Amino acid sequence: SQQGEEDPQALSIQEGENATMNCSYKTSINNLQWYRQNSGRGLVHLILIRSNEREKHSGRLRVTLDTSKKSSSLLITASRAADTASYFCATDAVSGSARQLTFGSGTQLTVLP
Amino acid sequence: GAGVSQSPSNKVTEKGKDVELRCDPISGHTALYWYRQSLGQGLEFLIYFQGNSAPDKSGLPSDRFSAERTGGSVSTLTIQRTQQEDSAVYLCASSSYLQETQYFGPGTRLLVL
Repeated sequence: SQQGEEDPQALSIQEGENATMNCSYKTSINNLQWYRQNSGRGLVHLILIRSNEREKHSGRLRVTLDTSKKSSSLLITASRAADTASYFCATDAVSGSARQLTFGSGTQLTVLP
Repeated sequence: GAGVSQSPSNKVTEKGKDVELRCDPISGHTALYWYRQSLGQGLEFLIYFQGNSAPDKSGLPSDRFSAERTGGSVSTLTIQRTQQEDSAVYLCASSSYLQETQYFGPGTRLLVL
């Protein structure tokens, strides 16, 4: 499997419920980022968690990072129909100076009204 | 400008023709990235610029693909002799060298008939 792989591939929930998406990666990282994409267009940065952090919050988003398991989770609380989108994790690997991000294949979240 | 812009938004071309895609990064951002996203897939890294130089060209899928950046700003991605498998959304992102967050443009949707 590729670096930064999300699961599930697709998730459908009712408005108001919480949504949890997971990401696994293989190599050592500087940080892990979560992005959101609507309708196959540009990605929007949501949150960044550094390798020495375990948990981070931003509004209704909560991200955890477990470097021993090489995994991260994104929790969206009290979901809204407008949260419907694809969510990608991206890892900024420890390798040289290039800020190259490696993206997973994403989780398609559908929030039903 | 306020964000990363890309042109054209959509491009339809015939197999064998050359296409040129343009990216205008956020003013002051020294790093610029090109990605390709096929339908329903994650992002595939193509090339990265730091200033005008491209230290990492490893992601270019073939010698039909080339990119340049002049004046440390605008970048063009050129695909020669396009093939149907080149059909995808081409995304550009930029970042300040010291930041890890990448800011994405809306993408160019390329369709090769």
